[in-house]
Amino acid sequence: EIVLTQSPGTLSLSPGERVTLSCRASQSVSSNYLAWYQLKPGQAPRLLIYGASRRATDIPDRFSGSGSATDFSLTITRLEPEDFAVYYCQHFDTSSYTFGQGTKLEI
Amino acid sequence: QVTLRESGPALVKPTQTLTLTCDFSGFSFSTRGMCVSWIRHPPGKALEWLALIDWDDDKYYSTSLKTRLTISKDTSKDQVVLTMTNMDPVDTATYYCARSQWVGDELDYWGRGTLVTVSS
Repeated sequence: EIVLTQSPGTLSLSPGERVTLSCRASQSVSSNYLAWYQLKPGQAPRLLIYGASRRATDIPDRFSGSGSATDFSLTITRLEPEDFAVYYCQHFDTSSYTFGQGTKLEI
Repeated sequence: QVTLRESGPALVKPTQTLTLTCDFSGFSFSTRGMCVSWIRHPPGKALEWLALIDWDDDKYYSTSLKTRLTISKDTSKDQVVLTMTNMDPVDTATYYCARSQWVGDELDYWGRGTLVTVSS
């Protein structure tokens, strides 16, 4: 079973800063099945990135994804107040979805 | 516009069976490839995928929970139902349903979730 490890667990930042979140897979995975989500309390989770680097519908271009094989990242340039949330990477393999443990962005 | 909404009991007792319903609109299981998954989020922990059902009634389950889960759909009602048996306090979580357009694809639309607490 593939394990996704996200780092860091928590980041304290300020609006306007740039941040890169890491997601490392325990073995090489297909980029086609690597996605990133944003979670905020009381809201529906939001798909940000799919296929490792493709922005989902209506996602601002300050969000970008990159990576391949075992190392993937989500970059947010110019943090906005609404970006402070928890971010999860996710992969699909052998009939199962797997999530990382999440990275919390806090002010 | 795609929407999903979860419903079910807010409180269940240990050993009881949980039944959750996902009502959706804006897509249909008559469209080849469509899938609905259930995912949960225990407080302070990570998201955990539970189960998926596709347009062709194929079903996929979390390896660790498969003995306790049953997923089904009612195409005429645009509904997906998840049952989880033998509930335990560790199953306390917000339960979400989400759509994907093929098995393995990203979960592109989610509901707001429903909080289920397991307590006597």
